[in-house]
Amino acid sequence: DTEVTQTPKHLVMGMTNKKSLKCEQHMGHRAMYWYKQKAKKPPELMFVYSYEKLSINESVPSRFSPECPNSSLLNLHLHALQPEDSALYLCASSQGTDYEQYFGPGTRLTVT
Amino acid sequence: GENVEQHPSTLSVQEGDSAVIKCTYSDSASNYFPWYKQELGKRPQLIIDIRSNVGEKKDQRIAVTLNKTAKHFSLHITETQPEDSAVYFCAAFINSGGGADGLTFGKGTHLIIQP
Repeated sequence: DTEVTQTPKHLVMGMTNKKSLKCEQHMGHRAMYWYKQKAKKPPELMFVYSYEKLSINESVPSRFSPECPNSSLLNLHLHALQPEDSALYLCASSQGTDYEQYFGPGTRLTVT
Repeated sequence: GENVEQHPSTLSVQEGDSAVIKCTYSDSASNYFPWYKQELGKRPQLIIDIRSNVGEKKDQRIAVTLNKTAKHFSLHITETQPEDSAVYFCAAFINSGGGADGLTFGKGTHLIIQP
């Protein structure tokens, strides 16, 4: 399996909802990432997990909470989001943090 | 942190001609430089990458060059085809030794191949 998968493909949520995005890879990669991408902008790094250890990007609001249950799975828990959080959320994985990263198809999130 | 500048923002070339996209980075400790192609509504796909111990790398019609002294790297696409039309992102990786080690992307180049 050489793919990164993400669910759901699309998500619409209200500002008071709690939802989770899921990402999975079975390539044996030990680094996994969450990126946020707004329309016509580059992906912006949110979180990095390396060997299931979290590196935090301090500019990410606490309403985004990552979780790495095991080396193949990565979740992003969402709570009390704002409309400006609407974006494409991309998961990626790599063999190590300075190796080629492979992206999943993304979750298109709309916050109403 | 790292800062990556990418030019041009839009590039239109005739089919069959060459296209060149240029990027500069700010942190001399950056050591890995990938290029991604993103078609509308799709995920970024890695097309080529280069490490700081190499000056040039080629894969069929695509090549990347790196000048560490000047801190810039470029993507070269020869014999362009309609399917090359997409947004191209350069990126730089710096191992910050415990921080959020990841890629910093340039703002992207919209490449348009004119038939």
